[in-house]
Amino acid sequence: DAGVIQSPRHEVTEMGQEVTLRCKPISGHNSLFWYRQTMMRGLELLIYFNNNVPIDDSGMPEDRFSAKMPNASFSTLKIQPSEPRDSAVYFCASSGQGYTQYFGPGTRLTVL
Amino acid sequence: DQQVKQNSPSLSVQEGRISILNCDYTNSMFDYFLWYKKYPAEGPTFLISISSIKDKNEDGRFTVFLNKSAKHLSLHIVPSQPGDSAVYFCAADYSNFNKFYFGSGTKLNVKP
Repeated sequence: DAGVIQSPRHEVTEMGQEVTLRCKPISGHNSLFWYRQTMMRGLELLIYFNNNVPIDDSGMPEDRFSAKMPNASFSTLKIQPSEPRDSAVYFCASSGQGYTQYFGPGTRLTVL
Repeated sequence: DQQVKQNSPSLSVQEGRISILNCDYTNSMFDYFLWYKKYPAEGPTFLISISSIKDKNEDGRFTVFLNKSAKHLSLHIVPSQPGDSAVYFCAADYSNFNKFYFGSGTKLNVKP
């Protein structure tokens, strides 16, 4: 059974460029989460969706960040324009009926 | 301000001995706590959880203890094995909002 799928696994881009991270949650899960992991702040929740609807985006750092979930099997996190301080590992996670969130392998983003 | 704190960034333990990882929280509304384990280049995976109505939960070699009055939880691993070497995150939630607050992680190294 496939877990949470994220793409790309690594992304290197230059400052000012648009970056799009993708996530496919586990089939049947109705909640999806985007996290960012940095050395300074650890693992922080950016936004989460329930039944494709954004519930809490209070963790989104700036207007440069946006997230969408057009259907139950796909979500994107977009950064436009990207900055060096956005460099981090971005995780997507999904959950079903229970508390447990299942994480994808992450996307390591480097903004030069 | 971080509501969940792991004050020890790293811990080194000899194989076969006990590993104790600690976590403190500030929000008394938290009523559900989890531990996740993370290997390099992988996403965090769920390890064990505890509800605030309990003070202990055990699963094989892993036991989580909750001290609500001290707002403190700990994860005990007995006996520790080299395969347990990973980063351990504690997380907290309240009222089933599904919004986890993660600590910054503790890197455990179990020496053979």
